[in-house]
Amino acid sequence: EIVMTQSPATLSVSPGERATLSCRASQSVSSNLAWYQQKPGQAPRLLISGASTRATGIPARFSGSGSGTEFTLTISSLQSEDFAVYYCQQYNNWPPDSFGQGTKLEIK
Amino acid sequence: EVQLVQSGAEVKKPGESLKISCKGSGYSFTGYWIGWVRQMPGKGLEWMGIIYPGDSDTRYSPSFQGQVTISADKSISTAYLQWSSLKASDTAMYYCARRPVVPLGAFDIWGQGTMVTVSS
Repeated sequence: EIVMTQSPATLSVSPGERATLSCRASQSVSSNLAWYQQKPGQAPRLLISGASTRATGIPARFSGSGSGTEFTLTISSLQSEDFAVYYCQQYNNWPPDSFGQGTKLEIK
Repeated sequence: EVQLVQSGAEVKKPGESLKISCKGSGYSFTGYWIGWVRQMPGKGLEWMGIIYPGDSDTRYSPSFQGQVTISADKSISTAYLQWSSLKASDTAMYYCARRPVVPLGAFDIWGQGTMVTVSS
């Protein structure tokens, strides 16, 4: 089973600034990597699939990059509604898919 | 509107059985896998298993194999997650989510979640 490791566990950033979240896979997952956002009391929401393709309705300030084992989610200018927990997920080698443990993005 | 609607919250006792549901609408139910994801209180997401309603092909995470059963009834566009004997450690939020069959894709639509509480 592939292990996904996200860093940092918590990221404190001011509104308007840039946030960079990382995700590392224990072996190559090609570009079969997704990012999800989860707010308290809500289901996860797909942001990015295929490592870099924004899902329908996702603002352009969200961007994904990487392939193989190293991936990055960048939020270019943080809005108040972006403070949430973010998860990466590999779906290249399944079953099972594997999720990272999450990065909590909090207001600085 | 494409959506997955899950059944309501459940409170059960240890040893009891349970079956929760996830109904798809607004799309071709047999064009997508339906997966189940567990989230224990205050914790992250765990992939449990997945079913293709077209032919009921089902895959499980080794962590959940034998602990739960995933099924689907394509005639009513509904997938199920069931337990034969609940434990307190099954207390969690359970989400269903759909994934494209071709090409391989992520979970693009999620249900609202079903909270399962197991307590004596």
